[in-house]
Amino acid sequence: DIQMTQSPSSLSASVGDRVTITCRASQSITSYLNWYQQKPGKAPKLLIYAASSLQSGVPSRFSGSGSGTDFTLTITNLQPEDFATYYCQQSYSSLRTFGPGTKVDIK
Amino acid sequence: QLQLQESGSGLVKPSQTLSLTCAVSGGSINSGAYSWSWIRQPPGKGLEWIGYISYIGSPDYNPSLKSRVTISVDTSKNQFSLNLRSVTAADTAVYFCARLAGDYDKGDYFDYWGQGTLVTVSS
Repeated sequence: DIQMTQSPSSLSASVGDRVTITCRASQSITSYLNWYQQKPGKAPKLLIYAASSLQSGVPSRFSGSGSGTDFTLTITNLQPEDFATYYCQQSYSSLRTFGPGTKVDIK
Repeated sequence: QLQLQESGSGLVKPSQTLSLTCAVSGGSINSGAYSWSWIRQPPGKGLEWIGYISYIGSPDYNPSLKSRVTISVDTSKNQFSLNLRSVTAADTAVYFCARLAGDYDKGDYFDYWGQGTLVTVSS
């Protein structure tokens, strides 16, 4: 199995901040890495696919980068609606696995 | 706009079978470009991929659940289903259905999700 880790597990930030979340895979997954946002009681929402491609309708303040084993999700100019939990997910292996999540809350 | 909606029993007794259906609207499940997935999330925990099926009925399952899981598709009703046998309290979770999209170049990703349904395993 490809194990996914995320750091930090949680962070506190203010509206307008720049936030960076890191995801690491236990082996190379090339660019087969996706990012999701989940709010309490809701389904996850796809933000970024293939490491850096912005899903249609997602604001441009979200961006992704990385390849191989190390990936980053960046949120610039954090908005009130961005406080949520973020998950990375690899699709390199037939066994799709998710990271444990990073909770972004209000400072 | 594609919509997915889960339905099924919210309470299942231990050792019995959990059965859920995902109705797809706003698009055809017959599209060869997509597969149809189940993902679950225990209360307060992370996401676990259960498996997926293509419209022609070729499934793939998480090895940790493979011995207990069956995912099937009913193209006439534009829906797909999940059966999980011999459940225990550890199977208590919110169960999501989702569309799996993508290609060889970009990999695949879950682009549309149902709202999720809580299934509790308890006597």
